[in-house]
Amino acid sequence: GQQVMQIPQYQHVQEGEDFTTYCNSSTTLSNIQWYKQRPGGHPVFLIQLVKSGEVKKQKRLTFQFGEAKKNSSLHITATQTTDVGTYFCAWGSPGANNLFFGTGTRLTVIP
Amino acid sequence: DGGITQSPKYLFRKEGQNVTLSCEQNLNHDAMYWYRQDPGQGLRLIYYSQIVNDFQKGDIAEGYSVSREKKESFPLTVTSAQKNPTAFYLCASRLGARGFTEAFFGQGTRLTVV
Repeated sequence: GQQVMQIPQYQHVQEGEDFTTYCNSSTTLSNIQWYKQRPGGHPVFLIQLVKSGEVKKQKRLTFQFGEAKKNSSLHITATQTTDVGTYFCAWGSPGANNLFFGTGTRLTVIP
Repeated sequence: DGGITQSPKYLFRKEGQNVTLSCEQNLNHDAMYWYRQDPGQGLRLIYYSQIVNDFQKGDIAEGYSVSREKKESFPLTVTSAQKNPTAFYLCASRLGARGFTEAFFGQGTRLTVV
């Protein structure tokens, strides 16, 4: 089956520094989604990437899908304390409606 | 108010007892999912259902059972065969369309087995 690794597992940054999390797959993905889970909360959808080489931006967040559709990244510019949480990538098996999640990257922002 | 409701928020059970976690959605979504989350861990898929009266095993189905008799409801039973049931359980749903729609999550149920 598909193997998707998410790195790093943890990241501590000073407020104002940048942050990036990566998801790398051993096989081609049909699409990839990103979610954020605040401490004590539930995952909330951020974005979906479908096309090869796609780049999408949401204010300080930039999402990329690799040309081979095997890797994806989420980059946050100038982190704020409101960015604290765990960021997950998610994907499904081709032709199925399942939804698997990466292990997540837990972001801590030091004021 | 549309959304997904999980109940209860906290649940305590004695070892060896079966327990059923409720998940109800009024979003008219076809697909529903159950995940388990352990402290500091990611979400692991237990079961999912694409349509009424159909469900598929995820990565960690052993010791769990589900039913999908109504579109709105997807209860999860944690059986006594589940060796380490204490965890945070999340239910999610989304429209069909073979995986190209966002998932919406409930608030979760924190199960503690003593």
